[in-house]
Amino acid sequence: DIVLTQSPALAVSLGQRATISCRASQSVSISRYNLMHWYQQKPGQQPKLLIYRASNLASGIPARFSGSGSGTDFTLTINPVQADDIATYYCQQSRESPPTFGGGTKLELK
Amino acid sequence: QIQLVQSGPELKKPGESVKISCKASGYTFTDYAIHWVKQAPGKGLKWMGWINTYTGKPTYADDFKGRFVFSLEASASTANLQISNLKNEDTATYFCARGTSPRYFDLWGPGTMVTVSS
Repeated sequence: DIVLTQSPALAVSLGQRATISCRASQSVSISRYNLMHWYQQKPGQQPKLLIYRASNLASGIPARFSGSGSGTDFTLTINPVQADDIATYYCQQSRESPPTFGGGTKLELK
Repeated sequence: QIQLVQSGPELKKPGESVKISCKASGYTFTDYAIHWVKQAPGKGLKWMGWINTYTGKPTYADDFKGRFVFSLEASASTANLQISNLKNEDTATYFCARGTSPRYFDLWGPGTMVTVSS
């Protein structure tokens, strides 16, 4: 299985930029398709799709969220961070079955 | 309104069975797969498998073969997850999620919490 590694937590100030990283144990890209996706989960709620195929904003997601990366290294950026963004963020790969998730990065206020 | 609605929380004893439902509305049920994801308390997300809503064929992740069954009530746009011979480690929230190609999850149910305790 492809293992996705995320830092457990990131502290950020409101209005600043947050950069959340995800590293895959092997490439999750096929040709020009980067098969990495990002979700936001708040306590007691279901995950919500933020970014699909590394850099595509899901429907209804604010433009302060963006994604980048290819191969094994991917980044979710939130700029500027708002109070409503305090949550845990998960990356997920679909290059190979089974789809796997990173361990999650908890975004905290500094 | 496009949504997935799941059944309510369950409290079960070890060895019992549980069936969780996931009802889709607002879209054509057979156009998208339904996936199941487990989240143990305070832990991350783990993919359990999926069911093809057109053919009814289930596919299980290795850790979820044997006691777990995915099924459909297609006429009711509903997918079900049944877990038999429950163990303490099955205590978790179980999410259904709509799967798109290439296998990301664009719509999630609110989750069903299953607690297994004697």
